[in-house]
Order: sequence, then structure tokens, then C-alpha cells
Amino acid sequence: EDKVVQSPLSLVVHEGDTVTLNCSYEVTNFRSLLWYKQEKKAPTFLFMLTSSGIEKKSGRLSSILDKKELFSILNITATQTGDSAVYLCALDNYGQNFVFGPGTRLSVLP
Amino acid sequence: NAGVTQTPKFRILKIGQSMTLQCTQDMNHNYMYWYRQDPGMGLKLIYYSVGAGITDKGEVPNGYNVSRSTTEDFPLRLELAAPSQTSVYFCASNQNTEAFFGQGTRLTVV
Repeated sequence: EDKVVQSPLSLVVHEGDTVTLNCSYEVTNFRSLLWYKQEKKAPTFLFMLTSSGIEKKSGRLSSILDKKELFSILNITATQTGDSAVYLCALDNYGQNFVFGPGTRLSVLP
Repeated sequence: NAGVTQTPKFRILKIGQSMTLQCTQDMNHNYMYWYRQDPGMGLKLIYYSVGAGITDKGEVPNGYNVSRSTTEDFPLRLELAAPSQTSVYFCASNQNTEAFFGQGTRLTVV
């Protein structure tokens, strides 16, 4: 069974801290790995990773995929209270499904 | 750009009642999905469709039905609502890229 594991499940930091969120998986064949940010409503798209070792960057957020070790990380530098959300990792199983992890709940305190 | 539109946003049902959650997308995506998200949990796939006229069960299909008569619409039907179906429901669509989500339907069964 395809499985996506995220750690930590919950994280509390202060503004300005840097955080690293982890996503590991047990899916051998997939099209891409995706990161989403979910606040109160629908998940919003952050990154899509298809190739190992190539960092994707958007402002203070960056992510990288390691297909050999079967994991991805999402980094957030200089965190702000607006970064507080649940961060979801998902694998695109060639359109048949997006297998989601349980999410990491990040709380950034002022 | 409408994207993925879900209705209603909120609904309270009594045990045994039935209802249809509507989902429509205007991006001409072949792939559509229904997920449910329970508090503090990730998204679980209920049903998915790879194109008009084709549907298939996901991880948690019991108690639900779907149809896909057109590319745009993918309604989810609950026939005999049960308290275990209290959840937030998300519709999503995809065409070889990231998944686009509707804003969600918060359903409470009492």
C-alpha cells in the first residue's frame, strides 16, 4: 500500500526561526511529489518536485526531493505568523490518486 | 477564473437523510477526485474519475456514490447519512500537474 509519512506532526516556533518539514514515502513509482499549505480551507499549491536533487525555491520557502532515500524536505526560513498552517505532502500516482501524508501543523508565535 | 467550484459550503444532515455534493471544474481536466478530511488528519480518497463516464473507488468509498456524465461535473452522493460521515469534503481536479482544490464542504451529520 502506498504510504506517505510526515514529521514532525506538530511544530511550534517563534517568528524568525527556520523550520524543516520532512516527508518520507513508500511509493516506488510516482509522477511527482507535491507540497501544499492548508490554512482554514482548501490546500494551496506550493511546489511540485519531479527530479531528485533539484531545489525548488519560492521566497522564503524551498524544497528538495531525494528519490534514492525516498524523502523530501520543505524549508521555511525567517518564519512569520502567516506561515502558521498545516503543510501537506502528497504523491501523484499518475493521476489515479494523490496520496497525502497526515500533514505537519506549524504554529509560528510572535 | 473559477477553477473548481463546490457547493454547498456547509450542510447539516440528520441521520438517514441523503444529499449530493456538487463539484464542477472549468479547466477541462480529465481527472477528478473526492476526498474527505477528518479533524487533524490528512485527505483520504473516496472516489476518483479519469474521464467522463469512468469512475472508480478510492480508499474510503463505503456510503458514497459518484457519477461523471460530463467532463466538468463530478457530484458525490450520500444516500443514508451516518455520523461517521461528518467531515470536510474536498473535490479536486488535475491534468498532469498539481491538483486544484475546491473550497470544501463542511458536513455535519446529527
